[in-house]
Amino acid sequence: GENVEQHPSTLSVQEGDSAVIKCTYSDSASNYFPWYKQELGKGPQLIIDIRSNVGEKKDQRIAVTLNKTAKHFSLHITETQPEDSAVYFCAATPFGNEKLTFGTGTRLTIIP
Amino acid sequence: GAVVSQHPSRVICKSGTSVKIECRSLDFQATTMFWYRQFPKQSLMLMATSNEGSKATYEQGVEKDKFLINHASLTLSTLTVTSAHPEDSSFYICSARTGQGAREQYFGPGTRLTVT
Repeated sequence: GENVEQHPSTLSVQEGDSAVIKCTYSDSASNYFPWYKQELGKGPQLIIDIRSNVGEKKDQRIAVTLNKTAKHFSLHITETQPEDSAVYFCAATPFGNEKLTFGTGTRLTIIP
Repeated sequence: GAVVSQHPSRVICKSGTSVKIECRSLDFQATTMFWYRQFPKQSLMLMATSNEGSKATYEQGVEKDKFLINHASLTLSTLTVTSAHPEDSSFYICSARTGQGAREQYFGPGTRLTVT
């Protein structure tokens, strides 16, 4: 089955700087890669996703890049703000498989 | 769009009793819903996949007689924790896909279960 590793487990960034979270996956058949943001005591919120037919996707301050050859994908947050503080999870799933395999999460802290 | 609700948001029950958690898709029909469990500072663990009108598919190690799942309509799935024990205390979260072939999963706000 799929295995997703996520790094770092914790990340502190000065407000206004950029944050990068990286994930690697094991199943070369995986072709859908979402990122979720989870605030304390709440459910995960889908913030961006990417499919294997593209290498990069951007939505305002958030971007995701995918390297299929190396089997890794990354979340980039620019101009970080205090409200970006949360736990971020990456996930992966192959086509035809409904289940998401999640990474272990990254606790991002934005320092004012 | 794509809003998923859960009820209750938190519940405290006594050991040996059963508790039901509801998951609703508010603005779309969800043929497939998922139930997850999350321990503090850990990732999400998939418990089961719930398909409308059919039996749920449980992940390995999840007791189907303890965690009863019913997906009776396209907007509602329920998880019943039967004969709850303190070790069942956890954060339970549901998610739903917006339709057949849709890849996106939208999560509910979660239910904090405490068994005393």
